Amino acid sequence: GAGVSQTPSNKVTEKGKYVELRCDPISGHTALYWYRQSLGQGPEFLIYFQGTGAADDSGLPNDRFFAVRPEGSVSTLKIQRTERGDSAVYLCASSLPGTGLYNEQFFGPGTRLTVL
Amino acid sequence: GDSVTQMEGPVTLSEEAFLTINCTYTATGYPSLFWYVQYPGEGLQLLLKATKADDKGSNKGFEATYRKETTSFHLEKGSVQVSDSAVYFCALIYSGNTGKLIFGQGTTLQVKP
Repeated sequence: GAGVSQTPSNKVTEKGKYVELRCDPISGHTALYWYRQSLGQGPEFLIYFQGTGAADDSGLPNDRFFAVRPEGSVSTLKIQRTERGDSAVYLCASSLPGTGLYNEQFFGPGTRLTVL
Repeated sequence: GDSVTQMEGPVTLSEEAFLTINCTYTATGYPSLFWYVQYPGEGLQLLLKATKADDKGSNKGFEATYRKETTSFHLEKGSVQVSDSAVYFCALIYSGNTGKLIFGQGTTLQVKP
């Protein structure tokens, strides 16, 4: 079956612009995670959704970052007033219902964001 | 807070050599531990996991044993292949309830024929 998909695969924007990154999880996966991977680093947690609600947004770096999942499936990560330091690969993962403690997280290919 | 530390890369080996990638962790309580792999041009994939002390995770010839006494989860393979060239990430499940993963910085493995 289809895996986690993310669009766009690459996004180049200018400092100060607004961007939206989309994640389509595996069908039936109610848990959804966003991570950010800077060059040469491991992924860092941003936010976790269980269904439509953000159950843990402790990883969002500041109030320029926001994510939604209005129907409990597709999620959009929104970044306002982008800064050069936001340049990274943004990863989405989904897992079966539950906290994910023992449920494998399946990762998408990521969106590479470059802020000029 | 919880954290994962991996050995610096890149690690360069000849085909059929023995592989060890060190991973140590700091965590509250008893986390589950994972190794993820990222092949060139592909997304992160779960390689193996261990959920309690002394558990051994294994997959595709790779093994790692959860050592509580040394807070380690070293990845090993007896004979690497060129196709094993990838970036390997050690990770733990945060001790809270959200299931968020905490990753190490990754170790690049290059296997030469």
